[in-house]
Amino acid sequence: TQLLEQSPQFLSIQEGENLTVYCNSSSVFSSLQWYRQEPGEGPVLLVTVVTGGEVKKLKRLTFQFGDARKDSSLHITAAQPGDTGLYLCAGSGAGSYQLTFGKGTKLSVIP
Amino acid sequence: GAVVSQHPSRVICKSGTSVKIECRSLDFQATTMFWYRQFPKQSLMLMATSNEGSKATYEQGVEKDKFLINHASLTLSTLTVTSAHPEDSSFYICSARDRSRGNTGELFFGEGSRLTVL
Repeated sequence: TQLLEQSPQFLSIQEGENLTVYCNSSSVFSSLQWYRQEPGEGPVLLVTVVTGGEVKKLKRLTFQFGDARKDSSLHITAAQPGDTGLYLCAGSGAGSYQLTFGKGTKLSVIP
Repeated sequence: GAVVSQHPSRVICKSGTSVKIECRSLDFQATTMFWYRQFPKQSLMLMATSNEGSKATYEQGVEKDKFLINHASLTLSTLTVTSAHPEDSSFYICSARDRSRGNTGELFFGEGSRLTVL
């Protein structure tokens, strides 16, 4: 069974601060996705990373896939209140249609 | 992007009744759809994998007679919560994989359905 450990579980920061969310596993994933979910809504895909060492940027969000494809990080620069939400990492193994989800990071950005 | 629509978004029912939730892929074909349950402030818990034209695969601990899943077409899967009880109250979310995009692992989620059983 593949497990994804996501940390921190909760994060409350002031507007303008930077933050990093981590997603770690002992298993290798063929791809890893990051989702953002707002209360009462379904998760929305932010990015998919598939290559070890890959870095993708989405405005103020930077996603990195570890060289060994066992871990990933999400870095947010100059956080804004609109970034508030639940961030979920999810990985899929080779040849598998199922996603393994981390427990999520609940981010609150205080104006 | 791929769109998944879920209906109803909210439903309130009496204990003992059955509730059906629909999950539709609007602009793509999905041979596989997934059903999740999410408790407040927690991550998604996979309930079952729905395969078009065949029986669903349920995760350990999920009662298949309680949560009936039907995937009759490439764009529609339904989850029926039978004889619902207050402990079944939860946020149910479906997701689908766009088969034309290959095995990238990406899933597209519905908006979720909030079930409240009185």
